[in-house]
Formats: sequence, structure tokens, C-alpha cells
Amino acid sequence: AQRVTQPEKLLSVFKGAPVELKCNYSYSGSPELFWYVQYSRQRLQLLLRHISRESIKGFTADLNKGETSFHLKKPFAQEEDSAMYYCAHGSGGGADGLTFGKGTHLIIQP
Amino acid sequence: GAGVSQSPRYKVAKRGQDVALRCDPISGHVSLFWYQQALGQGPEFLTYFQNEAQLDKSGLPSDRFFAERPEGSVSTLKIQRTQQEDSAVYLCASRPLLPGGTDTQYFGPGTRLTVL
Repeated sequence: AQRVTQPEKLLSVFKGAPVELKCNYSYSGSPELFWYVQYSRQRLQLLLRHISRESIKGFTADLNKGETSFHLKKPFAQEEDSAMYYCAHGSGGGADGLTFGKGTHLIIQP
Repeated sequence: GAGVSQSPRYKVAKRGQDVALRCDPISGHVSLFWYQQALGQGPEFLTYFQNEAQLDKSGLPSDRFFAERPEGSVSTLKIQRTQQEDSAVYLCASRPLLPGGTDTQYFGPGTRLTVL
């Protein structure tokens, strides 16, 4: 079964400090990895996906197949980055539902 | 344009009652998903529709859960004889493309169900 692990329930860093939210997955095929974010009182929304290889709001994530990881990084945290972050895995090929991790609550302190 | 909408936003039910949760996807989106999110957990997949066809219902926790999308747009998730463990936020998401695509799923605000 697919599994997504986010080891940190809570991560607190100071404004301007680097941020890394960890995500590991278990899947033997070609993975599709996503990061979703939920700001306070807002709906879940896509932050970025590995196939796009893009940077959104200063965040990047690199897929490491050897370590089965897809960690989310930002060099300088901003207060508006405070939110719940969920790593998700999709397998495609007809099994289209996403498998989510339990989420990491990121708090950026001023 | 309008995003995915869900109603009601909050539902309180007594144990044993039946409930119906509605999802209005983004117009024209082919794929529709239901997820269940318990407190402190990530969303868990329940079921998936392509147009009106329910292609995957492997995540439905019991036969008390039933979902339909008869005309390929609005979907309803029905829970019969609710139990306390059904208390959760129920999320609906829609996606424009056909199965196997890596396109984005757009989520609704969710319905928070509390079973007393």
C-alpha cells in the first residue's frame, strides 16, 4: 500500500530562517508527488508538484527516488508561510485518489 | 470563476441518523473525488467519479457510505446510520482531466460532520 510519511507534526522557525518540511513516500512505480497547503480558514490548495519543477512562493521540492523523499524547502521563511502543509502521492494509471501524509503545522515566529 | 462548493458547511447529527453531503464541482470538471479528514490527520481517499461513473470506491469505510453523481456534475455523499467515528471533515475535489492525468485537484471548503 502507498504510504506518505511526514515525521514532524509541528515545525516552528523564526522569520528569515530556512525551512525544510520532510516527506517520505513508499511506492514502487513512477511516483507523482505534490505539496498542498492550507492557510488558516482557507481551503486546501496545491502548492507545487514534482513534475512541474517550479518554485512557488519561494518554495521548492526535489524528488529523490533513491531516498524516496520529496522534502519542501524555502531558504528564508516569511510570516505568511505559517500554515498546514500536506505531502501527497498520486499513482495515476486509473488509481487517481491522492494519498496524503498527516501534515506538518508550520509556524513562523516574528 | 466559482470554485468547488460544498453544503452544508457544518452538520450535527445524532447517532443513527442519515446525512447527505453535497458537492458542486467546478463546471466542466470530469473527475470528482471525496476524502474524509479526521481531526489531526491528513485527508483520506473515499471514492472517485469520472463523469457519472464511480470508478473507485475502495476507500469507503463501510456499506453505510454511499456516493453518487447521477448527471456527471453534482455529487452527494450519503452516510446511513451515522456513528461517532464518522465525525470528520468531508472534502470534495474536482479535476478537469481524464484518469491518469497529473493535473491539479481543486478542493472545496469541506463539510464538518459531528455525530453526537
